[in-house]
Amino acid sequence: DAGVIQSPRHEVTEMGQEVTLRCKPISGHDYLFWYRQTMMRGLELLIYFNNNVPIDDSGMPEDRFSAKMPNASFSTLKIQPSEPRDSAVYFCASSLAPERQYFGAGTRLSVL
Amino acid sequence: KQEVTQIPAALSVPEGENLVLNCSFTDSAIYNLQWFRQDPGKGLTSLLLIQSSQREQTSGRLNASLDKSSGRSTLYIAASQPGDSATYLCAVVAGNQFYFGTGTSLTVIP
Repeated sequence: DAGVIQSPRHEVTEMGQEVTLRCKPISGHDYLFWYRQTMMRGLELLIYFNNNVPIDDSGMPEDRFSAKMPNASFSTLKIQPSEPRDSAVYFCASSLAPERQYFGAGTRLSVL
Repeated sequence: KQEVTQIPAALSVPEGENLVLNCSFTDSAIYNLQWFRQDPGKGLTSLLLIQSSQREQTSGRLNASLDKSSGRSTLYIAASQPGDSATYLCAVVAGNQFYFGTGTSLTVIP
């Protein structure tokens, strides 16, 4: 398996634009997690899914953020409209059980 | 709310030295604790997972201990190598929530 695949690896956009981050989990994994990492706040869990259903989205910072998992092999994290303070590295992870998570390489987002 | 702290924030040691990284958490009601490694520009790689009922886990030169009552975990790295240079993060799972520390940046000098 190729592991967790995230795209794009880097995204540069202007304030106010819509940003969509994509994640393909490891085949067979039924948990999917979205994280955000910044120097100031470290790694924060935004939302996670089990069997394509959102279980806990309490980490989503505000309504500008939304996440979907339309099927077992794909998830998106959307920011609309984006703001400079959203600049961070966004990680997706998947697992068979909540414990052993496998991380993607991340998407580095810069909002100008 | 669970808070996870890692000390020190950065550590530099000569090759071959044994070292200990520390992780503390405020609420002992945890499900498990994990240690991860993060290389620059990369995602996290799980190193060791300790269930709440366990006291330690070992993998090669790595040994992680857990003391729930005191809210502490340590990651022991034996005979450090330059390839061990990375940021090490601990994370606790509690009540369906995941809490990460801010990490210890380790540099092993050849």
